[in-house]
Amino acid sequence: AQSVTQPDIHITVSEGASLELRCNYSYGATPYLFWYVQSPGQGLQLLLKYFSGDTLVQGIKGFEAEFKRSQSSFNLRKPSVHWSDAAEYFCAVGDPVGNEKLTFGTGTRLTIIP
Amino acid sequence: DTEVTQTPKHLVMGMTNKKSLKCEQHMGHRAMYWYKQKAKKPPELMFVYSYEKLSINESVPSRFSPECPNSSLLNLHLHALQPEDSALYLCASSHGGTDTQYFGPGTRLTVL
Repeated sequence: AQSVTQPDIHITVSEGASLELRCNYSYGATPYLFWYVQSPGQGLQLLLKYFSGDTLVQGIKGFEAEFKRSQSSFNLRKPSVHWSDAAEYFCAVGDPVGNEKLTFGTGTRLTIIP
Repeated sequence: DTEVTQTPKHLVMGMTNKKSLKCEQHMGHRAMYWYKQKAKKPPELMFVYSYEKLSINESVPSRFSPECPNSSLLNLHLHALQPEDSALYLCASSHGGTDTQYFGPGTRLTVL
C-alpha cells in the first residue's frame, strides 16, 4: 500500500527566507505526486503536481518541487516566503494504475515570522 | 474555471436532525468525492462517485448517505449524527482515476 510521510509537523520561517518542506513516499513504482495548501478553515488548493517528465515542477505562488526517485522524495521549495504563505501544506500521492484514492501526508504547518 | 462550490459554509445540527450538504462543479468532471477532515489532520476519503458508480470507505457509518443526482452535483445526507462527526467536510472533483482533484472550500459541521 502506498504511504506518505511529512517528517516536519511544524516549521517556522522568517519572511523573505527560503523554505523547503519535506515529503517522502512509499510506493512500488512512480506514483502521481501532489502538493496542496490549506489556509485555516478553508479547502485545499493545488500548488503543483508531478505525473512524469521533468522532475522539477513549477507551481503557483512561486512554489516548485523536485521529484527524486532515488530518495522517494518530492520536496516543496520556495526561494522567499511571504507572510501570506502561512498555512498547512499537504503532500499527497495517487496510484497511476487508476485507483481514485489519494493518500495524504499528515501535513506541515508553516508559520511565518516578520 | 477550477471552482467547486459547497453549501452551506457552516452548519449546526442536533443529533436528531436531518440535513444535507451540497456540492457543485461545472468543470465537466465525472468523478466527485466527499472527504472528512478533523482539526490538524489530513482529509479522509468517505465516498467517491465516478461515472455514476459509488465507492464507499467501509469505515464510514451509515448515518452518512451520499447522492449524486447528476455528474455536476453531489449531496451528502446526514441523519442522527454524533458529536464526533463535527468536522470540516470537503468536496472534490476530477476527471476520474488519479487525475488532479480540485477541492471546494468545505462545510464546517458542528453536531450538538
